[in-house]
Amino acid sequence: GENVEQHPSTLSVQEGDSAVIKCTYSDSASNYFPWYKQELGKRPQLIIDIRSNVGEKKDQQIAVTLNKTAKHFSLHITETQPEDSAVYFCAASKEYGNKLVFGAGTILRVKS
Amino acid sequence: DTEVTQTPKHLVMGMTNKKSLKCEQHMGHRAMYWYKQKAKKPPELMFVYSYEKLSINESVPSRFSPECPNSSLLNLHLHALQPEDSALYLCASSQGALAVYYEQYFGPGTRLTVT
Repeated sequence: GENVEQHPSTLSVQEGDSAVIKCTYSDSASNYFPWYKQELGKRPQLIIDIRSNVGEKKDQQIAVTLNKTAKHFSLHITETQPEDSAVYFCAASKEYGNKLVFGAGTILRVKS
Repeated sequence: DTEVTQTPKHLVMGMTNKKSLKCEQHMGHRAMYWYKQKAKKPPELMFVYSYEKLSINESVPSRFSPECPNSSLLNLHLHALQPEDSALYLCASSQGALAVYYEQYFGPGTRLTVT
């Protein structure tokens, strides 16, 4: 089955700096890659997603890139703010079944 | 209404108890999911219901029994649980399940403690 690896497990940045989180997946049939943000004690919330027919997608301060050949995708957060502090999970899914396989998560701390 | 609601928020139960978790959505979604999340770990898929039929069971022990009475409701019946089943149980829903890519909306979860 699908396996998703996520790095780093923790990331500390200064306010205003950029943060990059990387994920690799094992199943070449996976073609949907969402990113979820989970604040302490709260539910996971989708922040951005990308499909395999697209190499890059941006939404304000966040962007995601996908390299299908290398089977990896990355989340880029620019101009980080303290409210960006949370756990970020990447995930991968195949077209049918909508079964999400999550990475282990990255704890992002933005220091002011 | 773009929310998934779950009750109760917290549940403490003994190993011989029977209890149920409830999940509700009014977004017209036809797929609903149960996930289990341990502390500092990602959500792990347990069950998927598509159009009120169980479509995925991730080899979950029979002490967890899901039920989908209608397209808006999802229950998880619990019986004879073990302390290691203590976790946050998340419900999610999406527009569909067996086609294309639909965002999954998560509920706030039920924090379960088995004593």
